[in-house]
Amino acid sequence: AQSVTQLGSHVSVSEGALVLLRCNYSSSVPPYLFWYVQYPNQGLQLLLKYTTGATLVKGINGFEAEFKKSETSFHLTKPSAHMSDAAEYFCAVSEFTGTASKLTFGTGTRLQVTL
Amino acid sequence: SAVISQKPSRDICQRGTSLTIQCQVDSQVTMMFWYRQQPGQSLTLIATANQGSEATYESGFVIDKFPISRPNLTFSTLTVSNMSPEDSSIYLCSVDIRNRGGNEQFFGPGTRLTVL
Repeated sequence: AQSVTQLGSHVSVSEGALVLLRCNYSSSVPPYLFWYVQYPNQGLQLLLKYTTGATLVKGINGFEAEFKKSETSFHLTKPSAHMSDAAEYFCAVSEFTGTASKLTFGTGTRLQVTL
Repeated sequence: SAVISQKPSRDICQRGTSLTIQCQVDSQVTMMFWYRQQPGQSLTLIATANQGSEATYESGFVIDKFPISRPNLTFSTLTVSNMSPEDSSIYLCSVDIRNRGGNEQFFGPGTRLTVL
């Protein structure tokens, strides 16, 4: 069984400040990990993913995340927040079933960016 | 990648009625998924739809309430039956695509359902 915990349902940062959204996972097999973003009234868009290889992964819009196996974490960061980053962010872990991936999502973190 | 469209984008329905949501993909895919996102909450997988076979439902979801069709490799429907206000949610379909970096899910824009 797999699960995802996102610490902090709401995070508020000032424009230009560091963004840090926390995600911890539990998985019985080597995980595939994802961050998705959901803008108001829109579907989910993939920001970045970790499957194998380099543990620091870079995504779209300047976001990156680091897979830390020892901490079972996959925190999302961005050096400098922009107003357009305001959205809901979901961390997800995948169980690969051989033909498809079954995603388990965290509860989401709403990022607010203030002037 | 995949481009996914859903119809309708939103609807307001009366208690006791049913609504069928359509999901269309621009490429052939084996697996499609249906998720529910209740207000202010995360996504919960309803079922996995494989072309040519019965859908596989997650715990807490049953075929009588959420019948699914998967007539071909680019299309699926989800019906929300005998609706109640508790069914008010965003319903999203997704597809699983295998690419160089492994498997990846792409999501449709969602159908926002309000049940009165």
